[in-house]
Amino acid sequence: GENVEQHPSTLSVQEGDSAVIKCTYSDSASNYFPWYKQELGKRPQLIIDIRSNVGEKKDQRIAVTLNKTAKHFSLHITETQPEDSAVYFCAASRTGNNDMRFGAGTRLTVKP
Amino acid sequence: DAGITQSPRHKVTETGTPVTLRCHQTENHRYMYWYRQDPGHGLRLIHYSYGVKDTDKGEVSDGYSVSRSKTEDFLLTLESATSSQTSVYFCAISLTSGSYANTGELFFGEGSRLTVL
Repeated sequence: GENVEQHPSTLSVQEGDSAVIKCTYSDSASNYFPWYKQELGKRPQLIIDIRSNVGEKKDQRIAVTLNKTAKHFSLHITETQPEDSAVYFCAASRTGNNDMRFGAGTRLTVKP
Repeated sequence: DAGITQSPRHKVTETGTPVTLRCHQTENHRYMYWYRQDPGHGLRLIHYSYGVKDTDKGEVSDGYSVSRSKTEDFLLTLESATSSQTSVYFCAISLTSGSYANTGELFFGEGSRLTVL
């Protein structure tokens, strides 16, 4: 089955700096790569996703890049703010397979 | 809000007792999922359902069973709880459908924290 690895497990940045979280996947048939943000004590919520037919997607301060050849994808957050502090999860899945696999998570802390 | 609620939100039980967690949705979504969340493991799929009485196993299904007798309710049962099942359990629904159900947004419930002593 699919295996998703996520790095780093913790990340601390100063407010205004950029943050990058990286994930690798093992199943070359995976074609959907979402990112979820989970604030303390809350539910995971989708913040951005990318499909295998594109290499990059942006939404304001958040961007995701995908390298299908290397089987890795990354989340980029620019101009970080204290409210970006949360745990971020990457995931991978493929059409017709209902077992979406998640990375172990990255705890991002943005220091004011 | 996709109208998904979990109950109970918190439960403490003893080893060997049965436990049932309920997930209720109000918008007729076909696909429903149960995940467990543990430090260092992210979210792992326990079981999922693709319709009434249609369920299948996920990555960590041992020790768990599920039932879906109505579209709106998906129950997760621990027949005999063990300490290794202490976790936060999240129900989720897919906001897409059909064979593309797993390549679209999952909307999660608020979670149920289970402690097995």
